[in-house]
Amino acid sequence: SQKIEQNSEALNIQEGKTATLTCNYTNYSPAYLQWYRQDPGRGPVFLLLIRENEKEKRKERLKVTFDTTLKQSLFHITASQPADSATYLCALDMAGGYQKVTFGIGTKLQVIP
Amino acid sequence: DADVTQTPRNRITKTGKRIMLECSQTKGHDRMYWYRQDPGLGLRLIYYSFDVKDINKGEISDGYSVSRQAQAKFSLSLESAIPNQTALYFCATSDNRGIEQFFGPGTRLTVL
Repeated sequence: SQKIEQNSEALNIQEGKTATLTCNYTNYSPAYLQWYRQDPGRGPVFLLLIRENEKEKRKERLKVTFDTTLKQSLFHITASQPADSATYLCALDMAGGYQKVTFGIGTKLQVIP
Repeated sequence: DADVTQTPRNRITKTGKRIMLECSQTKGHDRMYWYRQDPGLGLRLIYYSFDVKDINKGEISDGYSVSRQAQAKFSLSLESAIPNQTALYFCATSDNRGIEQFFGPGTRLTVL
């Protein structure tokens, strides 16, 4: 069966350190993988998209890797700040355009001052 | 002003009632989506529309219907609400590249 897993329900990290969040999947062949941030009581906010033929994508303090052999994406936040505290969702998009998209349940990140 | 708005923001209703959730956007996007979010399950796609004349079922469309009244408006209806439709509902839009989705603030629906 198809499954998408995000590492642990919560991740606590000291301010200034690099936070690494994991998205593992089985029995999917996504064309795209997206990462979103969600704050309590609010809708998700898009962060990054990476294509199946891309290994790495960066945006400011964010870096995403995508290994289709391991069926894994890693999401890194460098020099983490308390304002980065939120839940981070990964999404697998099989066809593009979000027609066949599966979201993970998310990892709650807490950055401790 | 918010780019994607949803009304109502909270709604409590009873089993068997018909409910409509409304979504409006000012982003000028053709593509609109409805999701529900449940604890431990993540976001799941209910319906999506790539333009006013295009409506498509998502992963979990049973028990729901939609109407695309205009480019800017996309409504979700529960014809006869049941308790397991209690969830947080999100509307989203994207441009035709389909790279980034913009989500509304959500509607918290409780069916008693």
